[in-house]
Amino acid sequence: AQSVTQLDSHVSVSEGTPVLLRCNYSSSYSPSLFWYVQHPNKGLQLLLKYTSAATLVKGINGFEAEFKKSETSFHLTKPSAHMSDAAEYFCVTFTNAGKSTFGDGTTLTVKP
Amino acid sequence: EAGVAQSPRYKIIEKRQSVAFWCNPISGHATLYWYQQILGQGPKLLIQFQNNGVVDDSQLPKDRFSAERLKGVDSTLKIQPAKLEDSAVYLCASSLVGLDNTEAFFGQGTRLTVV
Repeated sequence: AQSVTQLDSHVSVSEGTPVLLRCNYSSSYSPSLFWYVQHPNKGLQLLLKYTSAATLVKGINGFEAEFKKSETSFHLTKPSAHMSDAAEYFCVTFTNAGKSTFGDGTTLTVKP
Repeated sequence: EAGVAQSPRYKIIEKRQSVAFWCNPISGHATLYWYQQILGQGPKLLIQFQNNGVVDDSQLPKDRFSAERLKGVDSTLKIQPAKLEDSAVYLCASSLVGLDNTEAFFGQGTRLTVV
C-alpha cells in the first residue's frame, strides 16, 4: 500500500522569501513521486517528478524537490516566492501500473 | 500537443437528476483516469481505464456512477441519480503506459453543483 501525507494544509510566506512545502510518503517500494500545482479555475499542472534517477529534481518556475529515502520525504522548495506562486500544491505518487495517490494539498499564500 | 479536453465546464442540476461528463484524452494515451475533487480535498480516483478496459474502479460508487471508454479513446462518466454530496469537480486525466511515462496530464475539470 502507498500513501502520501502533506504535513501543512496552509503555508504563508512573504514575496521574495523561501518556500517549503512538506510531503512524506509511505510505500513498500521506491515510488514515483510528483508535485502538481493547481491555480484557481485551472487544471492540475506538473511541477516536477522523481522517478529513481537523480534525487534532487528541478522543475518549472524555479521549484525543486529532494527525494530522501531515509526520511521518506519529498519536500518542495523554492528560494524566492513570487506572487504568481500562490496556488494549491499536491504531492502525488504513481506506481508503474499508473495507480495514483494524492495528498490532501497545501495552499500556498504569498504576501506582498 | 493538444491537452485533455473535458465538457461541460460547469453543470448545475437538482438532486435525483442525472448528468454526464465527457473526456477526450491526449492522442495516443492508453490510460485514462476520472477523479472526484471535493472542495478542500485532493483528487480521489474514481476509475482508471487501460485502453477500453477497467483497471481500477474500487472507489467508484457503482450504485449511481458509471463510466465507459468506447474504442479506448473518449470516455463518459455518468451519475444517476445525483446526490447533494456529489457536488465536486470531476477531473479527467490521461497518461502513456510505461515505467517512465506515469505522468498524468489533467483536463480543466467539470464543476458539478447539485442543488
